[in-house]
Amino acid sequence: NAGVTQTPKFQVLKTGQSMTLQCAQDMNHNSMYWYRQDPGMGLRLIYYSASEGTTDKGEVPNGYNVSRLNKREFSLRLESAAPSQTSVYFCASSGLAGTHNEQFFGPGTRLTVL
Amino acid sequence: AQSVSQHNHHVILSEAASLELGCNYSYGGTVNLFWYVQYPGQHLQLLLKYFSGDPLVKGIKGFEAEFIKSKFSFNLRKPSVQWSDTAEYFCAVLDNQGGKLIFGQGTELSVKP
Repeated sequence: NAGVTQTPKFQVLKTGQSMTLQCAQDMNHNSMYWYRQDPGMGLRLIYYSASEGTTDKGEVPNGYNVSRLNKREFSLRLESAAPSQTSVYFCASSGLAGTHNEQFFGPGTRLTVL
Repeated sequence: AQSVSQHNHHVILSEAASLELGCNYSYGGTVNLFWYVQYPGQHLQLLLKYFSGDPLVKGIKGFEAEFIKSKFSFNLRKPSVQWSDTAEYFCAVLDNQGGKLIFGQGTELSVKP
């Protein structure tokens, strides 16, 4: 099992450009999450999907959109990138929403917006 | 809303020193607590978790944490650190709505050989 995979690993964008971060999991998990990690701020939840077909905003959703394409895949889109979106983005998944299952994290995408 | 606070932003220790990293959470009801570790350039990995039962939880690589309900704390400990423990450590609480994790700010641990 690959666990949680993310593409790309690195990306540099110019202000105003758009891009989609891809995430996939092969653990048959129901729930998937997108976080951003910034120095001194821990991980902050952008969006999550408790189950296939549903998505909800997290703590910092502005400037982002998500799509739960199927049970395996959960993508994050930046429509018009801004320098404030320079960050490391992590995708995670867990077995059942609202239960005790731990979250499994992907390797991250390091995004720089110039 | 629930919140998690980690008091130490950067801890520097020599090898074989004992470690204790502080974590406090705000929610007063039933809590599910986690410690994650992020080694340089890698993704987050679970160290240990608490859901119920024995408040002293043992995790991987010799780490343990104690849940003290009266103090709203879940501190991480290790009796003797190694250079390979150099990493960033995150405490997190499970939000009872939606299964989201609320993370603390993280503590960077540097262990000098």
